Amino acid sequence: SQQGEEDPQALSIQEGENATMNCSYKTSINNLQWYRQNSGRGLVHLILIRSNEREKHSGRLRVTLDTSKKSSSLLITASRAADTASYFCATDSVSNDYKLSFGAGTTVTVRA
Amino acid sequence: GAVVSQHPSRVICKSGTSVKIECRSLDFQATTMFWYRQFPKQSLMLMATSNEGSKATYEQGVEKDKFLINHASLTLSTLTVTSAHPEDSSFYICSAPYGAREAFFGQGTRLTVV
Repeated sequence: SQQGEEDPQALSIQEGENATMNCSYKTSINNLQWYRQNSGRGLVHLILIRSNEREKHSGRLRVTLDTSKKSSSLLITASRAADTASYFCATDSVSNDYKLSFGAGTTVTVRA
Repeated sequence: GAVVSQHPSRVICKSGTSVKIECRSLDFQATTMFWYRQFPKQSLMLMATSNEGSKATYEQGVEKDKFLINHASLTLSTLTVTSAHPEDSSFYICSAPYGAREAFFGQGTRLTVV
């Protein structure tokens, strides 16, 4: 079942700008992950943040997690046209090993 | 990283026929695989959990007889859409967990039933 809500639904930015998207969830989680999906393709894993972590970096990606607010944010710095894609957060719960519940997704368009 | 291969990437079939979609973990073993369905511009909805050596576990509202899942080996799971109808047209994606809760996804299959 879908538990995450993502905000905004769509985002259009200029190349070089930063893109920030948010994800909220409802139940306690083990981990929260972010995935990218190019149009009509499968999902690519970007980053995983554990429930006891608050921030994580990977290249141009920065993820924060606030378990008290049940929310996470993904920041893409210095965006490129190739970053144009849909981004999904996914959580796995304490009770369901490996079962991911996906947010609605944010569609990001980076204009050259 | 680990690779999950899904085949075919696109399939068009006639209403009433069955379609089989394969999901393979190429360089690791997966005792569990997941099948998702995605409608245009929407999120992924988990359909079922495929378990090697035992029956699949279906999510509420998913018809077991319509979507047959077989986890034939530690590297292969198949989803068969039986007696397909236009409303079954969708994007189907499989995934396999690897390591510390990370999941690797297949490329997806675009099914069109005409």
